[in-house]
Amino acid sequence: QLQLQESGPGLVKPSETLSLTCTVSGGSISTSFYYWGWIRQPPGKGLEWIATIYHSGSTYYKPSLKSRVTISVDTSKNQFSLRLNSVTAADTAVYYCARMNDAFGWPSWFDYWGQGTLVTVSS
Amino acid sequence: EIVLIQSPATLSLSPGERATLSCRASQSVSSYLAWYQQKPGQAPRLLIYDASNRATGIPTRFSGSGSGTDFTLTISSLEPEDFAVYYCQQRSNWWTFGQGTKVEIK
Repeated sequence: QLQLQESGPGLVKPSETLSLTCTVSGGSISTSFYYWGWIRQPPGKGLEWIATIYHSGSTYYKPSLKSRVTISVDTSKNQFSLRLNSVTAADTAVYYCARMNDAFGWPSWFDYWGQGTLVTVSS
Repeated sequence: EIVLIQSPATLSLSPGERATLSCRASQSVSSYLAWYQQKPGQAPRLLIYDASNRATGIPTRFSGSGSGTDFTLTISSLEPEDFAVYYCQQRSNWWTFGQGTKVEIK
């Protein structure tokens, strides 16, 4: 059974960089036709897609966050990571990593999710 | 960015009743729409993809329909475990989610 687990600091200071890692177990991150993504959910609010990556290194970023976000993959560790620069209180959220199914060569649905990790931006 | 508007915001129903949730897109997304269920403290779970296909292990009481800009998720007879928040998501132009519909016990 595929499992995803987020890890990283739960508290980040304003203007600093948020860094999270997702470790995939029960399957290979290099499997064809699957992409890997990050989604966040501010407390009490809805879901927001942030970024997606393929094991080859192809990346997709939410346009409004693109200037602050980097997604990367380490196939040797079966992990992918998120970096979000210059954070503010508005970046406080539960951050989820998830697998995305491929549909005709395009990332589509989020079919496996991590449990999520709360990141609070505060001094 | 394609905006998805879900209605109603809250649906108050009793177990055994039929639930009908709506998702409207700001422009056509063809059939590229999915539905997720989220319970408190849990990650979302994929229910329906490509508008009408049930994901693996999803009970048949969940069904989806629609195309273009108007979509519906129907739960034919609510079970106690179905009371949760439901989100729609499109993949036509990047990936965006609706704001959610909460199905609560009446």
